[in-house]
Amino acid sequence: DAGITQSPRHKVTETGTPVTLRCHQTENHRYMYWYRQDPGHGLRLIHYSYGVKDTDKGEVSDGYSVSRSKTEDFLLTLESATSSQTSVYFCAIRLAGNEQFFGPGTRLTVL
Amino acid sequence: QQPVQSPQAVILREGEDAVINCSSSKALYSVHWYRQKHGEAPVFLMILLKGGEQKGHEKISASFNEKKQQSSLYLTASQLSYSGTYFCGTDPSGGSNYKLTFGKGTLLTVNP
Repeated sequence: DAGITQSPRHKVTETGTPVTLRCHQTENHRYMYWYRQDPGHGLRLIHYSYGVKDTDKGEVSDGYSVSRSKTEDFLLTLESATSSQTSVYFCAIRLAGNEQFFGPGTRLTVL
Repeated sequence: QQPVQSPQAVILREGEDAVINCSSSKALYSVHWYRQKHGEAPVFLMILLKGGEQKGHEKISASFNEKKQQSSLYLTASQLSYSGTYFCGTDPSGGSNYKLTFGKGTLLTVNP
């Protein structure tokens, strides 16, 4: 079974502080994605990766950066968190049948 | 551009049927359907590829009309466990990065 962990699961931070969210997979899948989910907006793609050190922007990438130095880890960084980045963040991997498998999510609150 | 889902919400009694629609302004290569229960991650239901095929998963099935750029999810004889928010995700290109654009979701509530 595909396995994804996200850390931390919950975080409260203050405006202006940097925040890094981690997504870890156990099965060597090439494609990984970061989404944010907000009421009334559904899931929106922030960034995605198609291999180690290969990343690209999604539809809501402003204020976010990503890195992937190892196949298993995909990091999402908020350089200077703002209240508008309060959200639930989901990481996903693409499985062999093209479906996406989602991690448990990280609830981030920016005060 | 985000696909449009309708209805936004629907309330059923156990055993009733429902249809959830997903429309895109772009030509589509594939449509994915996911269900999310409150406080949990979205879970994959099925994928439909260009070609108008219909798929089924127990009492949940879906169709894809590529000419109309629409997909519909059919829930038959609904069960309490079907409650949740349903999302469609669309892929216009079938490109190798497999990016999906999700609709805003349809909240389905099944009551006893």
